[in-house]
Amino acid sequence: DAEITQSPRHKITETGRQVTLACHQTWNHNNMFWYRQDLGHGLRLIHYSYGVQDTNKGEVSDGYSVSRSNTEDLPLTLESAASSQTSVYFCATSGANTGELFFGEGSRLTVL
Amino acid sequence: QKEVEQDPGPLSVPEGAIVSLNCTYSNSAFQYFMWYRQYSRKGPELLMYTYSSGNKEDGRFTAQVDKSSKYISLFIRDSQPSDSATYLCAMMDYGQNFVFGPGTRLSVLP
Repeated sequence: DAEITQSPRHKITETGRQVTLACHQTWNHNNMFWYRQDLGHGLRLIHYSYGVQDTNKGEVSDGYSVSRSNTEDLPLTLESAASSQTSVYFCATSGANTGELFFGEGSRLTVL
Repeated sequence: QKEVEQDPGPLSVPEGAIVSLNCTYSNSAFQYFMWYRQYSRKGPELLMYTYSSGNKEDGRFTAQVDKSSKYISLFIRDSQPSDSATYLCAMMDYGQNFVFGPGTRLSVLP
């Protein structure tokens, strides 16, 4: 079965450190997204990509970057982690121009 | 005003009850309307998907969209403890811009 794998599932880091969250999908979907989920805010879009070498900023992109070198992977990098980036991060994909997003299991990040 | 409003709950109901979950929105450009279910410590999964106005039924679940009122609903009949989860409404325009509601936490008590 096709799936989306996020790693690590849990990470604790310190303020100022660089952190990379991995997302690997076997759906062969062109569209990939990174969201963060916080209490009271729901899911907020960080970055998204519609294909290889394509990346775009979402609603809350400051302090985050992504790169898309192949169809399967969209790693999310926090260049200098801040406590405000403590959150649960979800990777998602979609294969067509519909509302069907497929989500990974999430990565819980704590920045101390 | 937020683009999508949703009562965060928590909502507690007894097993077998009919549950009504609702969202309002402000952007008339939204054309696709969805409900996602999210179990604790899991990613959201698509539950219902509707294009434009109207009703859609799938088993115990019914989704309604009223574009004139900018209001969408999800009804769960004969609710079960396994329905306990957070329900997120989501909307998308033709430009593939998704917006999610904050989610309503539902508990169905046995």
